[in-house]
Amino acid sequence: AAGVIQSPRHLIKEKRETATLKCYPIPRHDTVYWYQQGPGQDPQFLISFYEKMQSDKGSIPDRFSAQQFSDYHSELNMSSLELGDSALYFCASSLGRDGREQYFGPGTRLTVT
Amino acid sequence: GENVEQHPSTLSVQEGDSAVIKCTYSDSASNYFPWYKQELGKGPQLIIDIRSNVGEKKDQRIAVTLNKTAKHFSLHITETQPEDSAVYFCAAIPAGRRALTFGSGTRLQVQP
Repeated sequence: AAGVIQSPRHLIKEKRETATLKCYPIPRHDTVYWYQQGPGQDPQFLISFYEKMQSDKGSIPDRFSAQQFSDYHSELNMSSLELGDSALYFCASSLGRDGREQYFGPGTRLTVT
Repeated sequence: GENVEQHPSTLSVQEGDSAVIKCTYSDSASNYFPWYKQELGKGPQLIIDIRSNVGEKKDQRIAVTLNKTAKHFSLHITETQPEDSAVYFCAAIPAGRRALTFGSGTRLQVQP
């Protein structure tokens, strides 16, 4: 079965640079979620989109923005990167906006130097 | 907001034994409780979930129980195998939200 696709899988950036992470949900899924996971920590919710509209917002810094496109893929844009932004970034998708049955992608490992 | 506590943080069992991981939640209006398995370098994998109108759910060697009165739910793995070794996260969806709040995770090690 098709899974959530994330690209790139690894990304190295310097402080103050920008980064764009992409997520392609499972076919027919209409909701996308972004989570950030620090080393040894649980995933923390950042933001979600349902039918291209922001659905819920978590602890996303103002330096980050995201959107969902007409083909349901989503991009997370990160600016003025800080060392503390180094983490795994996961995208998850689901069918419907209630948050249930979220399926996660393999993640993007972002390293800020 | 919702607070999910998970215990134990690490668990070591012998192959073939059972493993139990427990979580408590704070928001009595939460009504969906999934469990995820995360292997090193991979994304969390949904392994089982339970909704608030059900007390127990089983899928082969794994089961989840929910006690809404006490606001806790547990993951039970029977006949553990080395490939069950991973970090397990419980989660809940708080009332009025559509995103997961995770527990702090349990590192399960199954000794062959």
